[in-house]
Amino acid sequence: AQSVTQLDSQVPVFEEAPVELRCNYSSSVSVYLFWYVQYPNQGLQLLLKYLSGSTLVKGINGFEAEFNKSQTSFHLRKPSVHISDTAEYFCAVSSGDSNYQLIWGAGTKLIIKP
Amino acid sequence: DAGVTQSPTHLIKTRGQHVTLRCSPISGHKSVSWYQQVLGQGPQFIFQYYEKEERGRGNFPDRFSARQFPNYSSELNVNALLLGDSALYLCASSLGQAPYEQYFGPGTRLTVT
Repeated sequence: AQSVTQLDSQVPVFEEAPVELRCNYSSSVSVYLFWYVQYPNQGLQLLLKYLSGSTLVKGINGFEAEFNKSQTSFHLRKPSVHISDTAEYFCAVSSGDSNYQLIWGAGTKLIIKP
Repeated sequence: DAGVTQSPTHLIKTRGQHVTLRCSPISGHKSVSWYQQVLGQGPQFIFQYYEKEERGRGNFPDRFSARQFPNYSSELNVNALLLGDSALYLCASSLGQAPYEQYFGPGTRLTVT
């Protein structure tokens, strides 16, 4: 069965510094990969997705992620974070077969230090 | 356009009771998925409905059921509530069956006492 691991439960980073949030998934023939953000007391919002093609995916709010098939990873990056990026970030995977359900990681809280 | 709406926002129930949660998808979206998010964890898939038929079911007991109406809105029902059912229940809508771009509602916070 597909599984998703977000290696860090919390990531503290200073404002304007770069950040990387890590995500690894169990191997599958083909996968669709997603990053969602959840701001405090709000629903989930899609940041970016990888379906096929270029392995470097750009999303909203200056975030990007790189699909690495050999390492089964899909790490999220931003070159310079702002206080408004404080939120919880979730990585999710769909195996792309007839079962379209998303399998989610446990989330990473991004804490921006002033 | 209105986003995904869910009702109620918050709900407090007693063990053994039954609860119905409601979701209205974005206009034109034909798929609705339900997720349970326990505090401190990622969402867990419960059901997907597409064109009013169940297209996917997660690892949840039969106490959980759902349906989708002709207008594509959906209800999630949970019978014989347990303390462990306390969670944020999220509804997501998408145009088609594949989860390429799901839009989430704000969720219903269920507390079971």
